[in-house]
Amino acid sequence: GQSLEQPSEVTAVEGAIVQINCTYQTSGFYGLSWYQQHDGGAPTFLSYNALDGLEETGRFSSFLSRSDSYGYLLLQELQMKDSASYFCARDTGFQKLVFGTGTRLLVSP
Amino acid sequence: EAQVTQNPRYLITVTGKKLTVTCSQNMNHEYMSWYRQDPGLGLRQIYYSMNVEVTDKGDVPEGYKVSRKEKRNFPLILESPSPNQTSLYFCASRESADIQYFGAGTRLSVL
Repeated sequence: GQSLEQPSEVTAVEGAIVQINCTYQTSGFYGLSWYQQHDGGAPTFLSYNALDGLEETGRFSSFLSRSDSYGYLLLQELQMKDSASYFCARDTGFQKLVFGTGTRLLVSP
Repeated sequence: EAQVTQNPRYLITVTGKKLTVTCSQNMNHEYMSWYRQDPGLGLRQIYYSMNVEVTDKGDVPEGYKVSRKEKRNFPLILESPSPNQTSLYFCASRESADIQYFGAGTRLSVL
């Protein structure tokens, strides 16, 4: 199977913490990536997890549990500029990167 | 500065008129891909290339061709465009398993 499941929309207020979940089917799994895309822009890389555990990059962290076929992106100290779509993507190891349908994050004042 | 450059950014064409969207990267990456993005469907991989003269189909290759004659260039060719190929297209390149760099996108309308 190829699909990844993530919520279609999440809302939060400035300064809050938000978690965007991603579940995936396990056939041909090498790692999970996260990308951010602002309206009208190109996706930009946020993080990559090949192993279980938490990867932290500034206000953003990403977690992977291979046994649960599950990962999440954690955004802390939310800012208005974090309003964007966030995509998880499964790396099959053969340059076939399969993307989820995206989560639209709306940050309000 | 690491860059993936696609041209044109916007294109309106008519059914059946062959077109090419160019993509070039300046990072000497081996791996390059083309994606299309449609509302509610996320990014879907059209074709990818692991090196010069090595290309393979992604999830939605029908109606598209690619070539990789040089490492830096990976053009997407629509031999006979149809309205269902109206979409936002992204080229991307990567060296390793993690960071993938995307071009700015090409918005194509086929009438």
